[in-house]
Amino acid sequence: DVKVTQSSRYLVKRTGEKVFLECVQDMDHENMFWYRQDPGLGLRLIYFSYDVKMKEKGDIPEGYSVSREKKERFSLILESASTNQTSMYLCASSLASGLGNSPLHFGNGTRLTVT
Amino acid sequence: GDSVTQMEGPVTLSEEAFLTINCTYTATGYPSLFWYVQYPGEGLQLLLKATKADDKGSNKGFEATYRKETTSFHLEKGSVQVSDSAVYFCALFQGGSEKLVFGKGTKLTVNP
Repeated sequence: DVKVTQSSRYLVKRTGEKVFLECVQDMDHENMFWYRQDPGLGLRLIYFSYDVKMKEKGDIPEGYSVSREKKERFSLILESASTNQTSMYLCASSLASGLGNSPLHFGNGTRLTVT
Repeated sequence: GDSVTQMEGPVTLSEEAFLTINCTYTATGYPSLFWYVQYPGEGLQLLLKATKADDKGSNKGFEATYRKETTSFHLEKGSVQVSDSAVYFCALFQGGSEKLVFGKGTKLTVNP
């Protein structure tokens, strides 16, 4: 079974702090994704990566950056946390199929609160 | 751009009731369509998918048929259980990329 592990289940940070959210997958997937989930807004894509050192902006990249130095690890970075970044963050991975046949595998999420 | 519209919830049913969650999409071409489910405290997991028109995806008693003429992919189950209580997301695969576009989710609560 594919496992996607997010390093923290809950995080509380202060406004202005630099925040790192870590995600590791164990199935050698090429693609990795960071979403945020908010009530009434569903899932919104922040960034994704097709390969090591590759990154692409999603729909809401402002205020975030990412790092993919190793294939299994994809980090989301909040450069200067703000209260409007309080949210549930979900990491996902998938094989690169190009055909839409490879499902996304999600971690259990990190609930971040910025005070 | 591509988009997915789901019926708004929350939906509350009694055990053994029939479930329908509506999903329609807007997309260029012929996207693959998915239903994901999120149980309380967990991430999303794939429930079922369909990759071309008239395909029917099915899993755990849930079904959805890819209707190109109505651009729909409605989720149905004949008899829901308390354990089906979760949030359900409809999604489409955006052609030319590896990205999924999600609907906003529909929360289902099943009471005994």
